[in-house]
Amino acid sequence: EAQVLESGGGLEQPGGSLRLSCVGSGFTFSGCAMTWVRQAPGKGLDWVATVLIGGGGSYYADSVKGRFTISRDNSKNTVYLQMNSLRADDTALYYCAKNFPGSGSFDIWGQGTLVTVSS
Amino acid sequence: EVVLTQSPDTLSLSPGERATLSCRASQSVSSSYLAWYQQKPGQTPRLLIYRASTRATGIPDRFSGSGSGTDFTLTISRLEPEDFAVYYCQQYGSSPRYSFGQGTKLEMK
Repeated sequence: EAQVLESGGGLEQPGGSLRLSCVGSGFTFSGCAMTWVRQAPGKGLDWVATVLIGGGGSYYADSVKGRFTISRDNSKNTVYLQMNSLRADDTALYYCAKNFPGSGSFDIWGQGTLVTVSS
Repeated sequence: EVVLTQSPDTLSLSPGERATLSCRASQSVSSSYLAWYQQKPGQTPRLLIYRASTRATGIPDRFSGSGSGTDFTLTISRLEPEDFAVYYCQQYGSSPRYSFGQGTKLEMK
């Protein structure tokens, strides 16, 4: 069964940094783009970043560009989200999702890891 | 920048009724890259429809998607109690690469 599992969330002060990790299993990790999507408490889904196959490119939402970096290590079936210069409005549940090839959609989602930015 | 606007924000219906949810894009979206998700309280989103009209694995045939260009629709033919949830449309394009609509809450009347 294909699944992804996130970790690394927690409480951080404004201006601080966190690194999220997401391990994939049950599918060919190296053959899939991977994405982070976040959801602030009581709000909707918000795309954050996507890393392409082989790490050969990445896309970011304007709200995180220059502060967040997505990367992957195919030898560990892991995708990372390095979050720097955190702000209060980055507080959210961060989901890792597997891209569904050729469809522009996300077919496997993790349970999420909670990031809280507060002093 | 492509903005997806869903309507209505909240839809109140009874089990057995037909639900029609709308997703309108500010610019044309390729039908190949329009998807719908269901999210129940406390749960992770679930892919329902991709490429505007193709049901994902395991999705019942009471769910159907249609549309093209800037107007897309998710239809649930006969509501079951487990269908009451929040539904999101999502697109893949050029700017931003991906975006979601604000969601439609389908609640039981």
